Amino acid sequence: DTAVSQTPKYLVTQMGNDKSIKCEQNLGHDTMYWYKQDSKKFLKIMFSYNNKELIINETVPNRFSPKSPDKAHLNLHINSLELGDSAVYFCASSQGYGSEQYFGPGTRLTVT
Amino acid sequence: KQEVTQIPAALSVPEGENLVLNCSFTDSAIYNLQWFRQDPGKGLTSLLLIQSSQREQTSGRLNASLDKSSGRSTLYIAASQPGDSATYLCAVRRAGGTSYGKLTFGQGTILTVHP
Repeated sequence: DTAVSQTPKYLVTQMGNDKSIKCEQNLGHDTMYWYKQDSKKFLKIMFSYNNKELIINETVPNRFSPKSPDKAHLNLHINSLELGDSAVYFCASSQGYGSEQYFGPGTRLTVT
Repeated sequence: KQEVTQIPAALSVPEGENLVLNCSFTDSAIYNLQWFRQDPGKGLTSLLLIQSSQREQTSGRLNASLDKSSGRSTLYIAASQPGDSATYLCAVRRAGGTSYGKLTFGQGTILTVHP
C-alpha cells in the first residue's frame, strides 16, 4: 500500500538527454510537490501543484517542466540534462497547503 | 527569506540516552513546523507536525516543542534505540503570501545510537 510512489528509483543518463520522473499518490490529496536533494543532502522545493494548478515555482531552470494530468499524478520532465542536475528528486503530497506532507522514496538521478 | 538551522549537525550516543535535537528559524511568520526522519537511501518519514498555535506535540517516545516567537523548536527523543539512527530534518511552513505552504528545510542532524 504505497502512499506516494515514484518511478524510476534510479536513473542514469548522459548530458543533453531528456528524461521524465513519474509520481503518483493514492492518498486522495489535492496538493503535490517536487523537491530536490543535492549532494550535501539539502532539500529544496522546486514546484507545487494544487488541483492540477501550479502554485509554487521556485527559481528552477526552464528545462524542468512539471505536468499534472490529474490530482493523483505529478510528473517531472527534464530537458537537456546537465551534470548539475544530478541529485535525488522527491515527490510529496498533502491535503491542502498547510497539512502534513508525505514523501515518496525518491529518484536518484545521475547525469554523466 | 526563511533560513532554518539545525544543531548539532551530528550526534552519536549510547543506547538508552535521552536526547534533544534543536531547530531554529529566522522568520517567525510560520504556519506550522514538521519534523521528519530520513533513513539512508530512503524517503522522508513524517514524525510530528506542530501548528503555530501549539506549544508541543507528542508521539510515543518523541516530543516536539515550538517557541514561535523565539524561532525555535526542539525534538526530544526518550530512551534512544539503535533503530532511531537516521537523519532528522526540521521544516517550517510559510504562513500566507504567494508561496503559502512552502516547506523550508534545515540541513538535518545525523543521529547514531550505538548499542
